[in-house]
Amino acid sequence: NAGVTQTPKFRVLKTGQSMTLLCAQDMNHEYMYWYRQDPGMGLRLIHYSVGEGTTAKGEVPDGYNVSRLKKQNFLLGLESAAPSQTSVYFCATRQTEPDTQYFGPGTRLTVL
Amino acid sequence: KQEVTQIPAALSVPEGENLVLNCSFTDSAIYNLQWFRQDPGKGLTSLLLIQSSQREQTSGRLNASLDKSSGRSTLYIAASQPGDSATYLCAVRPSGTYKYIFGTGTRLKVLA
Repeated sequence: NAGVTQTPKFRVLKTGQSMTLLCAQDMNHEYMYWYRQDPGMGLRLIHYSVGEGTTAKGEVPDGYNVSRLKKQNFLLGLESAAPSQTSVYFCATRQTEPDTQYFGPGTRLTVL
Repeated sequence: KQEVTQIPAALSVPEGENLVLNCSFTDSAIYNLQWFRQDPGKGLTSLLLIQSSQREQTSGRLNASLDKSSGRSTLYIAASQPGDSATYLCAVRPSGTYKYIFGTGTRLKVLA
């Protein structure tokens, strides 16, 4: 039972490059979330999904796209990376009863 | 717009001391409030969940209280230990949403 896993753990990109971050869960949770964590800013919600095939914007969606083609996977894409997207990205799932979030270990992304 | 604030940003205490971490939020229309722990380089782990109708929750040496009307929550840690050293974050789930708003966290160091 792996819980929430994120791939890759670390990545360095050059400005303008694209990449996809993968979040996978084996807990059968409907809800999944992508956050970014920056020093002094706390966690900010990028996009989220309330079930397979659905996505919705969070607080800071610009420059990111997401897809939830399968219930167990939630992908976060950066089409043209910018230095402002240097951050640690966390994926989380939500269990409805009790209302609890489970977080992955994070992906540290640096954009040069 | 809901905002969540945690003060202080950092705290150092000697081992064995009882301590209180504070969380305040600007809009009392919340569904619940959660406290999380984050160890360096790791994801978040849920500690306590308080529903909007509850006043407090306890787990071991941890006790969290909620005063919705004043927009405040506290996390009380009894008999602190060096293993309690981590960053503690609170998050609120506004009513009618599936999203969470996080505070910036309090970095706690318990000195042996």
